[in-house]
Amino acid sequence: EPEVTQTPSHQVTQMGQEVILRCVPISNHLYFYWYRQILGQKVEFLVSFYNNEISEKSEIFDDQFSVERPDGSNFTLKIRSTKLEDSAMYFCASKIRDQPTNEQFFGPGTRLTVL
Amino acid sequence: DQQVKQNSPSLSVQEGRISILNCDYTNSMFDYFLWYKKYPAEGPTFLISISSIKDKNEDGRFTVFLNKSAKHLSLHIVPSQPGDSAVYFCAATPGNEKLTFGTGTRLTIIP
Repeated sequence: EPEVTQTPSHQVTQMGQEVILRCVPISNHLYFYWYRQILGQKVEFLVSFYNNEISEKSEIFDDQFSVERPDGSNFTLKIRSTKLEDSAMYFCASKIRDQPTNEQFFGPGTRLTVL
Repeated sequence: DQQVKQNSPSLSVQEGRISILNCDYTNSMFDYFLWYKKYPAEGPTFLISISSIKDKNEDGRFTVFLNKSAKHLSLHIVPSQPGDSAVYFCAATPGNEKLTFGTGTRLTIIP
């Protein structure tokens, strides 16, 4: 069964460093998303991406964040200068197209720890 | 911002009995609702969804009920099985790309 994959599973970085989180969405999906979950809190929407551009972003997704689909398979989230409060699980998700169920398929997540 | 609320952080149910997980929402623009299940160290897994034009959707052991006037939905699992032990998230969307999640309910099925 096709699945969303994410690398790395765990990333440790120093405050102020840049990190790139990588995702490979399901191959025939057209809509891509990043969410995050700070420990003990709910899953929060960061950004959605369609047709090579951002379609929606949350207040969390400030200038320190960017997304890119550099080739036909990868979808990346870059944090330019990490802060302690960026420590969280980051989930990538994808969706095939507009469909009645609005189901988004999630990857296993990358745990980002900022020291 | 608590547009989607799951007021029970945890729930324990005997194996074979019915599990009922509840979710309330405040945003009347939400028109699609989803339930996700999450195991530790894994991403959320889609379970079942319901459109605002329906009041019930069933898939095997899982049934979701929607009460639009009360802005309330519930997930029923019957019969409950040990493998159902996980965290369950309610999510809602106004039909665009963004899912708004609740805080989750940890369900424990007691053998």
